[in-house]
Amino acid sequence: KNEVEQSPQNLTAQEGEFITINCSYSVGISALHWLQQHPGGGIVSLFMLSSGKKKHGRLIATINIQEKHSSLHITASHPRDSAVYICAKGRAQKLVFGQGTRLTINP
Amino acid sequence: EAGVTQSPTHLIKTRGQQATLRCSPISGHTSVYWYQQALGLGLQFLLWYDEGEERNRGNFPPRFSGRQFPNYSSELNVNALELEDSALYLCASSLAGDSYNEQFFGPGTRLTVL
Repeated sequence: KNEVEQSPQNLTAQEGEFITINCSYSVGISALHWLQQHPGGGIVSLFMLSSGKKKHGRLIATINIQEKHSSLHITASHPRDSAVYICAKGRAQKLVFGQGTRLTINP
Repeated sequence: EAGVTQSPTHLIKTRGQQATLRCSPISGHTSVYWYQQALGLGLQFLLWYDEGEERNRGNFPPRFSGRQFPNYSSELNVNALELEDSALYLCASSLAGDSYNEQFFGPGTRLTVL
């Protein structure tokens, strides 16, 4: 079993839908990261959180330390949100990554 | 402010050769991380450099090595290339890596081994 598991692996939705991507980890963490990877390969760090909830624009990340679970939500999804979303656990020096969720938003 | 830069963008080598990949961190960042993303696999941590020293490495053979220069830029060297080394190699930088500092990623170098 991977230390970091994401679900679903693939997600296709219509523009405007509310999106939820889940991340579960098996061992306690110091921080949980959400990353976005576009088709060209470039990666953008979306959030780093160790408790509670963070919001940036239409993106919201939550974490439940007791349940070892985090979610990434996208409100009013748009085709430009299409990307692979990756969660990763750990301190800055050694991240352990999930396999990623490929999100496709159709117009 | 300039982001993390990597060069080259693409690199094609043959089996047995050596590859050198370069990374320049964001100004002020002292930590540089290298990751490998092979086709069909997730990102895997390769190496972490901070203040010129290798601080940690992932589960990769010794033919993966690198260094960090006084200006904090970094080089990743892969010796005796194998076909399975074909991957996207990503570099990231952060402020000192011993706390919860966010990492900023470069665009990657796509290495193809023929």
